[in-house]
Amino acid sequence: EIVLTQSPGTLSLSPGEGATLSCRASQRIATAYLGWYQQKRGQPPRLLIYGTSNRATGIPDRFSGSGSGTDFTLTISRVEPEDFAVYYCQQYGRSPLTFGGGTKLEIK
Amino acid sequence: QVQLVQSGAEVKKPGSSVKVSCKTSGSTFGNYAFSWMRLAPGQGLEWMGGIIPVFGTVHYAPRFQGRVTVTADTSTGTVYMEVRGLRSEDTALYFCASGESSATYRAGGPYYYYYAMDVWGQGTTVAVSS
Repeated sequence: EIVLTQSPGTLSLSPGEGATLSCRASQRIATAYLGWYQQKRGQPPRLLIYGTSNRATGIPDRFSGSGSGTDFTLTISRVEPEDFAVYYCQQYGRSPLTFGGGTKLEIK
Repeated sequence: QVQLVQSGAEVKKPGSSVKVSCKTSGSTFGNYAFSWMRLAPGQGLEWMGGIIPVFGTVHYAPRFQGRVTVTADTSTGTVYMEVRGLRSEDTALYFCASGESSATYRAGGPYYYYYAMDVWGQGTTVAVSS
């Protein structure tokens, strides 16, 4: 089973600042099989990025993803008030699928 | 795009079972894979298992193998997840989600692949309490 470790656990920022979220895998992941989700309290997660760097339908271009091998990054160029939420990375492909522990993006 | 509608909230006793449903808006499953996740209080998202109806395959996370069963009813376009032997730690918000799938046929295979989950159900709360 591939373990995903996200850092930091909590990120405190002001609107307008840039955010960098990290996801490290316990073994190499093909770039096609790494995604990022945003979750707000009481709502289902929303797919932001698939295949490491592809934005899902309707996702603003302030969100971008990058990485390869075991290190992946989600970047928010300028955080908007609606971006404060928990972010999860996920590796899919073959079972078992796994999620990282999440990064909470909170208002500073 | 397919939509997913889950069954309503459940309150269960420890040791009992719960079966949550996830109905798709389409008439067929196509080549979609369906997964079940949960979000327990103070915890992160956890993948429990998935099913790819077109290939007839089911997969489970190791920690849920033997206690969770995922099934699909092609006649109604509904996917189910049953959890047995409920305990208080199973209190959580449970989600179904779908994404594309594929299969490759080579030595040692076939191998089945899940892709990013772009459609999610609204979530079902399961509370386990004596």
